[in-house]
Order: sequence, then structure tokens, then C-alpha cells
Amino acid sequence: SQTIHQWPATLVQPVGSPLSLECTVEGTSNPNLYWYRQAAGRGLQLLFYSVGIGQISSEVPQNLSASRPQDRQFILSSKKLLLSDSGFYLCAWSPGGGGPSTDTQYFGPGTRLTVL
Amino acid sequence: QKEVEQDPGPLSVPEGAIVSLNCTYSNSAFQYFMWYRQYSRKGPELLMYTYSSGNKEDGRFTAQVDKSSKYISLFIRDSQPSDSATYLCAMSPLNAGGTSYGKLTFGQGTILTVHP
Repeated sequence: SQTIHQWPATLVQPVGSPLSLECTVEGTSNPNLYWYRQAAGRGLQLLFYSVGIGQISSEVPQNLSASRPQDRQFILSSKKLLLSDSGFYLCAWSPGGGGPSTDTQYFGPGTRLTVL
Repeated sequence: QKEVEQDPGPLSVPEGAIVSLNCTYSNSAFQYFMWYRQYSRKGPELLMYTYSSGNKEDGRFTAQVDKSSKYISLFIRDSQPSDSATYLCAMSPLNAGGTSYGKLTFGQGTILTVHP
């Protein structure tokens, strides 16, 4: 079965510091990978998605970037955090290929980021 | 107007009650509908998905889709305190809308509390 991991689970960072959040998926190959942010009381905002190694698409211009160095690894980064970057960051995967199963996304446990 | 509207609640019901959670949408291209459950400080968990109008049942949960009215519902029978969570609806065009990734549109989530 497939498993998705995220770390760290919780992070408190000062404004202006760098950020690196990691997501890995087990039990599948060539997944689509996604980064979302969920602010308190608001829905899920898609930040980045990737359909393959080195292929990253951004949905929202912001202070963040993403990379996919390996097939099942997805990293969210920032060089300098802003207060507005605080939130709950979720990684998700779906089967690749563009067929019906591509629509179904499975989420990781999330990272709660507080920027002070 | 948001593409997907979901009453944020909160909704509070006694144990054993039937719960109805609803979403409306405006994009007629949506053909694939999902419900996620999200416990506090956790990632969303996929509960049910359906492609077609009508009802789909899984244990105490029933997903209902009315494409003519652009309205979907999730019913929970014999609700339990363990059902207390935020419920998110999500939807997408079929087959990822011709893209190679799953672009989901989420509702804001409804907070449900089932009290003993």
C-alpha cells in the first residue's frame, strides 16, 4: 500500500529565515505530487504540482519554491520566510498519467508552520 | 462567486443523529466528486468518491450527487463522536480535464461536532 510522509510535523521559524519541508511517498512510482497550504478557517490552496522529476508548476506567485529531486520526493522551500507564510502545509500524491485515477489525491499528515 | 460553496458551520449534533453536509458548485465541467474528512491538526483523509449522479453508499456514509442542480451531499447515519471533524468536498473535471495532473477544487470545509 502507499504511504506518504511529511516532516517536520511542527516548525516555528523567525521571519527572514529559510525553510525546507520534505515529503516522500512510498509504494508507488511516477506519482503526481502536490503542495497545498491551508490557512485557519480557509480552504486548501494549491501551491505547486509536479508530474515528474524536475517538472514543477506553480499555481500561485509567492515567496515559496518547490523541487522534485527524486521520483517520490517533493520539497517546499523558501529563502526568507514572511509572517504570511504561516499555515498548515500539506503534501499530496495522486496516480500519474492523466486518467481518471489522477483525480484522486491522498494527503500526508501535514506540517504546521508558525512564522514569528 | 466561488466555484464551490460549502457551509462552514459549525454543525453540532447529538450522537445517533443523521448528518447532512452539502456543497454547491457552479462549474458544469465538474464530473468527479469527493469527500474528505479532516481531524484537527491532521491531513485530509479520502472518505468517498463518485463520478455519477445518484447515491453511493459505504457503511454509515452516503454520497449523493445531483448534477442537474449542481449540488452534492454527504449523509452520515448514526453519527458518532468519532465523526467529529471537518468535512471537505472536492471536485474536478473528469480525467483531470485533459491535463496530466489532478486539479481539485475544494470547498471551505464544514466543522462537525457530534456530542455524546
